[in-house]
Amino acid sequence: DAKTTQPNSMESNEEEPVHLPCNHSTISGTDYIHWYRQLPSQGPEYVIHGLTSNVNNRMASLAIAEDRKSSTLILHRATLRDAAVYYCILRDSDSWGKLQFGAGTQVVVTP
Amino acid sequence: SAVISQKPSRDICQRGTSLTIQCQVDSQVTMMFWYRQQPGQSLTLIATANQGSEATYESGFVIDKFPISRPNLTFSTLTVSNMSPEDSSIYLCSVGGGVTGDGYTFGSGTRLTVV
Repeated sequence: DAKTTQPNSMESNEEEPVHLPCNHSTISGTDYIHWYRQLPSQGPEYVIHGLTSNVNNRMASLAIAEDRKSSTLILHRATLRDAAVYYCILRDSDSWGKLQFGAGTQVVVTP
Repeated sequence: SAVISQKPSRDICQRGTSLTIQCQVDSQVTMMFWYRQQPGQSLTLIATANQGSEATYESGFVIDKFPISRPNLTFSTLTVSNMSPEDSSIYLCSVGGGVTGDGYTFGSGTRLTVV
């Protein structure tokens, strides 16, 4: 499985944007880029995913580099409820669909 | 997206005993996935359960320790057998994916403490 690299932690002020980077230099052409977050004492929650083009939804935006070797999850206005561990995962469309989690990025939001 | 009901939400068990965790989905799904999350750690995939066939286990996990059942397209169980304190973790089930790579849904988890 292709691997991702994320910073261990990031801090943000409330109501400011948060840019979470993810490096995936060994990504293959069939790998989807998935982002999940895990709030304290909860199971992971789907945030967004993409293949080649940038994606937007109500939770966040995903910016994918042209060579697909990196991506950035953008939370447009951080709230205290966005404090969580964010996981960037590559999902091979040819596999059995399993997700392999890395260590993720702990996002801390300060008021 | 699918809604998952996972039971029990937590349990405290004696070493040497077994616990069966249930995962019920509100729609039919092809694959179900079981994860373990040890204290302070990320999620580790235990196995993939496909209805009508034996589960596929990841390296480091064996069927004798973590037997899985998948009797139909909406239900699965994971049993943690002959438990020791090292099995104290959160266990989660997940569904989703598919060819298009849609998002996955996770259960709220079962917090297991072995004493």
